[in-house]
Amino acid sequence: AQRVTQPEKLLSVFKGAPVELKCNYSYSGSPELFWYVQYSRQRLQLLLRHISRESIKGFTADLNKGETSFHLKKPFAQEEDSAMYYCALRTNAGNMLTFGGGTRLMVKP
Amino acid sequence: GAGVSQSPRYKVAKRGQDVALRCDPISGHVSLFWYQQALGQGPEFLTYFQNEAQLDKSGLPSDRFFAERPEGSVSTLKIQRTQQEDSAVYLCASSARGGYGYTFGSGTRLTVV
Repeated sequence: AQRVTQPEKLLSVFKGAPVELKCNYSYSGSPELFWYVQYSRQRLQLLLRHISRESIKGFTADLNKGETSFHLKKPFAQEEDSAMYYCALRTNAGNMLTFGGGTRLMVKP
Repeated sequence: GAGVSQSPRYKVAKRGQDVALRCDPISGHVSLFWYQQALGQGPEFLTYFQNEAQLDKSGLPSDRFFAERPEGSVSTLKIQRTQQEDSAVYLCASSARGGYGYTFGSGTRLTVV
């Protein structure tokens, strides 16, 4: 069965510092990887997906099949980036998402 | 509606009580999902509907959990004889046919006392 691991429960950085939220997965097939974000008192929302290869709010994530990772990066963190971030995987066999445990990002002024 | 609507937002149930949680997906969205999110954890898949058909219920933790979507729009998640371990936020999400991005509701926070 597939599994998503986010090793850090909490990541605290200063404004302007680089950020990397780690995500590792295990799945024998070709997965689709996503990052979801939940800002304070808001609902869970899609941030980006690996297929799009896009940058959203300055965040990027590259799928590394060799290392089975999909780390989320941003070169200069902003205070408004403070939120819960969830990495998620969808297999080619179904529609459901498998989520990691989440990382809380705190960006200090 | 403009988004996925869930009700109630909060529910306190006494152990052994039955509860029903409602999800109103975005109009026209074919796919509907239920997830359970325990405190400090990521959401975990419960069940999936395509229109009125329940295509996957492999995540339902026990036969006390039951979900339905009789007309292919509104869905209800029912939990019978609630237990303390059922305390969690229950999230509903919907997506259009072929869509990759789910739209999540705000969730129902269930507390079993």
